[in-house]
Amino acid sequence: QKEVEQDPGPLSVPEGAIVSLNCTYSNSAFQYFMWYRQYSRKGPELLMYTYSSGNKEDGRFTAQVDKSSKYISLFIRDSQPSDSATYLCAMSAFKAAGNKLTFGGGTRVLVKP
Amino acid sequence: EPEVTQTPSHQVTQMGQEVILRCVPISNHLYFYWYRQILGQKVEFLVSFYNNEISEKSEIFDDQFSVERPDGSNFTLKIRSTKLEDSAMYFCASSDTGVPDEAFFGQGTRLTVV
Repeated sequence: QKEVEQDPGPLSVPEGAIVSLNCTYSNSAFQYFMWYRQYSRKGPELLMYTYSSGNKEDGRFTAQVDKSSKYISLFIRDSQPSDSATYLCAMSAFKAAGNKLTFGGGTRVLVKP
Repeated sequence: EPEVTQTPSHQVTQMGQEVILRCVPISNHLYFYWYRQILGQKVEFLVSFYNNEISEKSEIFDDQFSVERPDGSNFTLKIRSTKLEDSAMYFCASSDTGVPDEAFFGQGTRLTVV
């Protein structure tokens, strides 16, 4: 079983729709959950992070973590063509010095005007 | 806005040659990382570096790889004898506290081994 699994997509939605993304994971030690956006041949850009379980909202973005189900989600409301990118989930267990991130494979999202 | 800077943006090298990928982390950051992403695959952790030593490394980070912070601003990844399978995007990241939500990534160096 892969440590972090993410549907590769592509996920195609019309402009204005809600984009729903998710990841599942197997490692119970993960406590930090992040979502990154990555444009083609660019570095990952942090969008949202959540510590442990719960919801977090930031503008059009909502991140949810359900540790009991080992399932995390990202919702993008009122999607725009500029949201077209690959979305990566990443997770980490806290350590004393430096924390490696374990990434999912990414979901490619296409928002059509 | 402070950013992590990587050079070169693209490097082509012959198999067996040594390459050095360079990174300038954000100036007050203390934790440094290298990740790589083979085309079409997931981003993979290579190594983390803190207080002038490696704090963690992955199975990928074998004896062919080394990292160094030669001065107060640069952080380098050296691949001693490149192989075709080392072709990938290499990302440097840095953070000031080590808490994972505060890691900033550079734009990457695309390494092509021919």
